[in-house]
Amino acid sequence: GAGVSQSPRYKVAKRGQDVALRCDPISGHVSLFWYQQALGQGPEFLTYFQNEAQLDKSGLPSDRFFAERPEGSVSTLKIQRTQQEDSAVYLCASSPLAGGTDTQYFGPGTRLTVL
Amino acid sequence: AQKVTQAQTEISVVEKEDVTLDCVYETRDTTYYLFWYKQPPSGELVFLIRRNSFDEQNEISGRYSWNFQKSTSSFNFTITASQVVDSAVYFCALRNYGGATNKLIFGTGTLLAIQP
Repeated sequence: GAGVSQSPRYKVAKRGQDVALRCDPISGHVSLFWYQQALGQGPEFLTYFQNEAQLDKSGLPSDRFFAERPEGSVSTLKIQRTQQEDSAVYLCASSPLAGGTDTQYFGPGTRLTVL
Repeated sequence: AQKVTQAQTEISVVEKEDVTLDCVYETRDTTYYLFWYKQPPSGELVFLIRRNSFDEQNEISGRYSWNFQKSTSSFNFTITASQVVDSAVYFCALRNYGGATNKLIFGTGTLLAIQP
């Protein structure tokens, strides 16, 4: 079946612009995660959804970052007033169950470059 | 605190050589999961294996094998008879069990280059 998809794959923004990154998880997956991967680093947790509920947003670096999953499927990560330090790959992952006893499956990521 | 250390930043070997990628983890929890993911140049993280803390049995899958040792907090990954297609960045990750958020804690990755 289809895996996790993300769009766009690449995004270039001028400093100060707002961006929206989309994640389509595997159909039926309850859990959805966003991670940020800086160049040469491992992914770092941003936020977690269980269905439509955002249960953890402790990894969001500032109040310029906002995520939603209104119907418990597609999720959008929004970054307002982008800064150069926001340049990174943003990865989305989903897993079938709540409670986390299962594996997270990742999408291809969105590479954001802020000029 | 939870932490994953992959001390090898880059490894380069010639095709058909065996290679071991090291992973050392830190956690205070008694129940946890360990993972390995592969990240090819396309960028997608590909799941390779999951291991829970109660299962120290080593695992072999084709040319891949994993050695889990709780005594040294290590979860090392060996590729036997490496191939060019194995070239990628490999990440080790840790996740605790039973929390509200089951986020993965990743190491910094090891870039593996297999030379033909």
